[in-house]
Amino acid sequence: GAVVSQHPSWVICKSGTSVKIECRSLDFQATTMFWYRQFPKQSLMLMATSNEGSKATYEQGVEKDKFLINHASLTLSTLTVTSAHPEDSSFYICSARVRGFNYGYTFGSGTRLTVV
Amino acid sequence: KNEVEQSPQNLTAQEGEFITINCSYSVGISALHWLQQHPGGGIVSLFMLSSGKKKHGRLIATINIQEKHSSLHITASHPRDSAVYICAVISARQLTFGSGTQLTVLP
Repeated sequence: GAVVSQHPSWVICKSGTSVKIECRSLDFQATTMFWYRQFPKQSLMLMATSNEGSKATYEQGVEKDKFLINHASLTLSTLTVTSAHPEDSSFYICSARVRGFNYGYTFGSGTRLTVV
Repeated sequence: KNEVEQSPQNLTAQEGEFITINCSYSVGISALHWLQQHPGGGIVSLFMLSSGKKKHGRLIATINIQEKHSSLHITASHPRDSAVYICAVISARQLTFGSGTQLTVLP
């Protein structure tokens, strides 16, 4: 139980285009979704926290106009990287805290974004 | 100084060896996670614990709240255990991650 499905698992896009990443909770309702970014050999860094039906909360240094987060339903949160640049190439992963779940947080499988 | 420190950063073991990965943290926490990240990037939560000890198969996790320290043990290690193991603490309703331990188990 408590599965988050993340798509796509990898994407290559051209500079200047936008990419949407979806995280869908399959068997629970995710009122809050956390979005992380991970550079090679580094730890996960929290980018933003999305809350269903309200605006996302962004961490310091994260451009809200560049990383658009939408959490329109209890089962779907999306992250759109707008006008992507090569420096946006990274591994993006979402996570949700699941009440009553022995393992606490559940994670999406991640999205490897490469901007060329 | 990072709030969550893991050691060692890299660990190579022979199949069958007993493995210990350590995590120390400096903040007050409500719980601690041990996570496993495979080469493809996907992350699996192995344990969430706030006191004592938990066991799941060959994996054992312990935590000492007073000493702000947790350990992850793997008994009878196997090459399929090769992965990055990450300690993450829950504080102020947020996860803070350690830098991870790259474990390689050789056949």
